[in-house]
Order: sequence, then C-alpha cells, then structure tokens
Amino acid sequence: QKEVEQNSGPLSVPEGAIASLNCTYSDRGSQSFFWYRQYSGKSPELIMFIYSNGDKEDGRFTAQLNKASQYVSLLIRDSQPSDSATYLCAVNLIQGAQKLVFGQGTRLTINP
Amino acid sequence: GAVVSQHPSWVICKSGTSVKIECRSLDFQATTMFWYRQFPKQSLMLMATSNEGSKATYEQGVEKDKFLINHASLTLSTLTVTSAHPEDSSFYICSAEAGNTDTQYFGPGTRLTVL
Repeated sequence: QKEVEQNSGPLSVPEGAIASLNCTYSDRGSQSFFWYRQYSGKSPELIMFIYSNGDKEDGRFTAQLNKASQYVSLLIRDSQPSDSATYLCAVNLIQGAQKLVFGQGTRLTINP
Repeated sequence: GAVVSQHPSWVICKSGTSVKIECRSLDFQATTMFWYRQFPKQSLMLMATSNEGSKATYEQGVEKDKFLINHASLTLSTLTVTSAHPEDSSFYICSAEAGNTDTQYFGPGTRLTVL
C-alpha cells in the first residue's frame, strides 16, 4: 500500500461545477496535510494546509480532513478553466520527520 | 510572504560538466530546505533534506557524491550536480520549510538539460 494515494485521473469537470479531489494516507499518526497545485512545466504551489478534523475554507477551496478514515479531500467550487492542473496531496507521515510524502497527483481538467 | 527563488531557471550543459543550482528563501529564514527531482509526467521525488549547518540527509538511491548539497546559511542552499550525464536531465525543484510548521514553499524550479 502506498503511503499517500490519489486517483491519478484525469478528472474532467464542467466549468462552474464542484471538483472533488481525494487522498488517503497510511499512517494514522499523521498530523499535517497539504494540497499543492502544479501547472504543467511549473513547480508546485501551496493551496491549503489542514491540521484538524473537519473543514477548512479559503475562497473557492475547501479542505476536508477525516483522521478516523485517514482521508483528506479538496473541493473546488465554481471551477474555472484556470483550475486545470495537477493537484498534489502531501502528508507529514511521521511527526518530526521533517519531510512530506507526496501522492502521485490528480490531473484535473475544467471544461468550458 | 514565503517566497523561494531558484537560479538558474534553466541550464544546458555538456556531459561531464558540473552544474550548481541555488535556492534562496527571500523573506523568511529556512532551517530546512529540500531538493526534489521530477521527470516528465511523473511525481516529485525527494532527493535530500538539507539542514542549515549540517550534512544533508539523502534519500535511498540518491548518490551523495554526485549530488552535493550545501546549506551554509538560513536563506541559501545549493545543489551541485557533478559530472552531469544525459540521464541527469530533469526538473530540479527546491523547497524551504517556514519555521517548524511542516509547510514547504517551492522555488520555481531549474530545468537541466545535459547534452
């Protein structure tokens, strides 16, 4: 089992709809969870981080964390073509390990 | 805030030469920086973790003598690819951790092409 798993996609969503991206992780002791966006040929850009169970909202983005089920998700409301990118889930699997483990990424395409 | 720069943004070199890539945190101090490599259509691969003032910690399978890392200050880490070969051609990306938050901010990356 991979430490951090994401559906590689591609995920196609019509413009204006909600895009839902999911990520599961293996270590129940994980404390920190991050979502990055990566456009083709560019480096990752931090979108959100979440530490506590529940929802965290920032503009059109909502991160959801469920530690009991070991999953974290990212919702993008009112999807725009500019949201088309690869979304990387990252987890600090072991507290104090000083490194994040990244999922393979989900490629999202927003169709006009 | 939390801006990370890399230099150069791209480099083309002949096989056998060495290439140095700089990573700087511009508006914060980074005790820890990370170096990643990404091949086309693949995910990020962590190469090493660099702590200011100490030796870098390399991931399994990464040759420490080939990829030299120096983290001499809280705002600068360098990666030197020694005796580069065509198979080293890749997108090299650094990141810096802000404080002890586990949050990593990425530089824009350096595209290395070895002829």
